[in-house]
Amino acid sequence: DQQVKQNSPSLSVQEGRISILNCDYTNSMFDYFLWYKKYPAEGPTFLISISSIKDKNEDGRFTVFLNKSAKHLSLHIVPSQPGDSAVYFCAVVIQGAQKLVFGQGTRLTINP
Amino acid sequence: SQTIHQWPATLVQPVGSPLSLECTVEGTSNPNLYWYRQAAGRGLQLLFYSVGIGQISSEVPQNLSASRPQDRQFILSSKKLLLSDSGFYLCAWSVTGGRGTQYFGPGTRLLVL
Repeated sequence: DQQVKQNSPSLSVQEGRISILNCDYTNSMFDYFLWYKKYPAEGPTFLISISSIKDKNEDGRFTVFLNKSAKHLSLHIVPSQPGDSAVYFCAVVIQGAQKLVFGQGTRLTINP
Repeated sequence: SQTIHQWPATLVQPVGSPLSLECTVEGTSNPNLYWYRQAAGRGLQLLFYSVGIGQISSEVPQNLSASRPQDRQFILSSKKLLLSDSGFYLCAWSVTGGRGTQYFGPGTRLLVL
């Protein structure tokens, strides 16, 4: 039973345009959500997070949106740059257990 | 600032040989520690996590074991490697009692032949 789903395994976007990565979760009790970026043969890098008391959090070119009624979060990258090409994972925190549950990842490719 | 180290970076081992991967964290005390595996083209699978010295929780039954001999040291081991143990192994840490954000090491690529 996948608690966190990233339904798009890949996404291709032109440089300078907006990249939108999506993530769905099943448990309305989840209250803290994160996005990670991963290059090949490297560890994931924490990008941005959002608490369930907010519906938006912004950090430079990265904005995360949370729609609690739809159990959906998205990561917007604007403008997209070639260095953004990577695999992006969304994750939710399992409170109490201090664990993360990750989605399967979306491979983003930024085309020049 | 906190840093996390993993070694070795790459390892090629024959089937049936033992394994020991080490992870250490600097700049923090009493962290939660985690071992993940990423098989080729797959997502991140949590293998073990630890909330303190000697405390290990296993997520997936498998050929591997973990130990935490010191506060900031986490070791992943196997007595006899299988071909299916090949993958990219990641160590991570988080603040005990924090929001749960985990910070990852650089990873170890293991190839079992």
